[in-house]
Amino acid sequence: GGIITQTPKFLIGQEGQKLTLKCQQNFNHDTMYWYRQDSGKGLRLIYYSITENDLQKGDLSEGYDASREKKSSFSLTVTSAQKNEMAVFLCASRPGLGPYAEQFFGPGTRLTVL
Amino acid sequence: AQKVTQTQTSISVVEKTTVTMDCVYETRDSSYFLFWYKQTASGEIVFLIRQDSYKKENATVGHYSLNFQKPKSSIGLIITATQIEDSAVYFCAMREGRSALGRLHFGAGTQLIVIP
Repeated sequence: GGIITQTPKFLIGQEGQKLTLKCQQNFNHDTMYWYRQDSGKGLRLIYYSITENDLQKGDLSEGYDASREKKSSFSLTVTSAQKNEMAVFLCASRPGLGPYAEQFFGPGTRLTVL
Repeated sequence: AQKVTQTQTSISVVEKTTVTMDCVYETRDSSYFLFWYKQTASGEIVFLIRQDSYKKENATVGHYSLNFQKPKSSIGLIITATQIEDSAVYFCAMREGRSALGRLHFGAGTQLIVIP
């Protein structure tokens, strides 16, 4: 078994601030993902990475940067936090590129921008 | 256009009854994989069950089963003998087989409320 850890659990920022969210997994999975979930909504893909140092843009990459410096970690940066923004950011991982493999999710980071 | 659509926003059922949650998808790939995930009130998301497009038999895991209707591009989730702890948001998702990058497309989710 393994686990996905996301830090911090809660993040409060100011408008215009640069904020970084971190994700670590010990599954030894190749592919990692960042999703954004707004209250009562589904998951929207921000960035994903199929291996160390790889980055692929998702549907919602504008306003975000990502970094995969190690296989086990994937970080997401909100480049300029938007006032009154509230969302949960979910990290996920899965092994390899096989289409049948399920994704495992982290517990999320809840962002509030004042 | 949405690749995965869940039209039911919220469903309420009485405990111990059976519920079906609908999901339709859109793809041009001949090979694809359909998933259902559950998100609990705490926010935790867990994988429940998968259907491979090339399999005719409906997948079953515990008290979860799928109603796969390929001609209708439909993959319903059936929960039998519902329990209070089944109350959660259920997401349908699809991965197209030809995509080497294998990203999942999620529906908007259906909230299930199980009433005692």
